[in-house]
Amino acid sequence: AQSVSQHNHHVILSEAASLELGCNYSYGGTVNLFWYVQYPGQHLQLLLKYFSGDPLVKGIKGFEAEFIKSKFSFNLRKPSVQWSDTAEYFCAVNVFRSSASKIIFGSGTRLSIRP
Amino acid sequence: NAGVTQTPKFRVLKTGQSMTLLCAQDMNHEYMYWYRQDPGMGLRLIHYSVGEGTTAKGEVPDGYNVSRLKKQNFLLGLESAAPSQTSVYFCASRTRKGRDGNTGELFFGEGSRLTVL
Repeated sequence: AQSVSQHNHHVILSEAASLELGCNYSYGGTVNLFWYVQYPGQHLQLLLKYFSGDPLVKGIKGFEAEFIKSKFSFNLRKPSVQWSDTAEYFCAVNVFRSSASKIIFGSGTRLSIRP
Repeated sequence: NAGVTQTPKFRVLKTGQSMTLLCAQDMNHEYMYWYRQDPGMGLRLIHYSVGEGTTAKGEVPDGYNVSRLKKQNFLLGLESAAPSQTSVYFCASRTRKGRDGNTGELFFGEGSRLTVL
């Protein structure tokens, strides 16, 4: 069965530090990849997505992610974080098949930014 | 445009009681999903539906049932609640394909916090 792994459970950074959150998935076929963010007390919102083409995708609020097929990875990055980036971040994978269309999430990474 | 609406938002149950969570979306989305969110475990897929009248099991379906009698509604039922089902439940929906022809973006409800004593 496909799975999504986020190895960093809690990351603490100071403002202006650079961010990289890891995401690995276990499926060898065609996948669609997503990063969602959940701000405190809110529901999940889409940050960015990858379907095909340029493996470096840019999302909202200065976030970007790089798809590396050989490593089954889709890491999220931001050059300089802000206090408002404090949230929980989820990587998700849609296994692309003609029938069933499950979207599986990782366990999430909680990001805390020190002002 | 309400998007995805979940009711109720909060509920406390005693072990063995039953209840139904309702998810309604007004975006004419084909696909609907129920997830549960627990600390350190992220979102786990309970059941999903790819269209009216069809449902399928996700990662953690035991103890839950679902129905999709109308395209806009997706009901999650607990027949006999257990403390292990204490969680925050999220409903989500999406189109089969987005405007760019790829997998549609998931739109989430605000969550339903369920406590089973």
